Amino acid sequence: AQSVSQHNHHVILSEAASLELGCNYSYGGTVNLFWYVQYPGQHLQLLLKYFSGDPLVKGIKGFEAEFIKSKFSFNLRKPSVQWSDTAEYFCAVSSSGSARQLTFGSGTQLTVLP
Amino acid sequence: DTGVSQDPRHKITKRGQNVTFRCDPISEHNRLYWYRQTLGQGPEFLTYFQNEAQLEKSRLLSDRFSAERPKGSFSTLEIQRTEQGDSAMYLCASLAGHNEQFFGPGTRLTVL
Repeated sequence: AQSVSQHNHHVILSEAASLELGCNYSYGGTVNLFWYVQYPGQHLQLLLKYFSGDPLVKGIKGFEAEFIKSKFSFNLRKPSVQWSDTAEYFCAVSSSGSARQLTFGSGTQLTVLP
Repeated sequence: DTGVSQDPRHKITKRGQNVTFRCDPISEHNRLYWYRQTLGQGPEFLTYFQNEAQLEKSRLLSDRFSAERPKGSFSTLEIQRTEQGDSAMYLCASLAGHNEQFFGPGTRLTVL
């Protein structure tokens, strides 16, 4: 069975600080990896995804993530956060097979102080 | 707005009552997924459809839960004899091909 661990439950940063959110997964096969964001009162939105190819993927709003297969990790980064990045961030994994249901981590609440 | 809609957005019910939620996916998406999210947790997979066929159900989906997608378009999720532990956000997502899932706004269920 797949599982996803997000190490930080709540992160508080000041504007312009750099961000790195950890994500580790457990699965023996080939995976697809995702980061979703949920802004207050809004639905889940995709930030970025990794299916194959270049392990450094760039997403919307200046976010990027690096897939390190040997470490089963897919950490999310942003060099300079803004107040508007305050949201909950979810890492998710799906197998590359036919079902494709997502297994989510428990989420990281990011608060950016102005 | 992702194009996936859910109705109702909020539902308050008394324990023991039945409730039904509806999801309208993006029209050309053949796969539809249901998830449940409780406070402080990420969404958990419940079940999914490819067109009208329900292909997989999670162990979380007890006998009180049933889902349908009769014409391969919208889907309904029914919970019979609701319990307080059913209180959660119920999310629907749709998918086409080898792409990412698009999520709806969810239905928040409160069982009193």
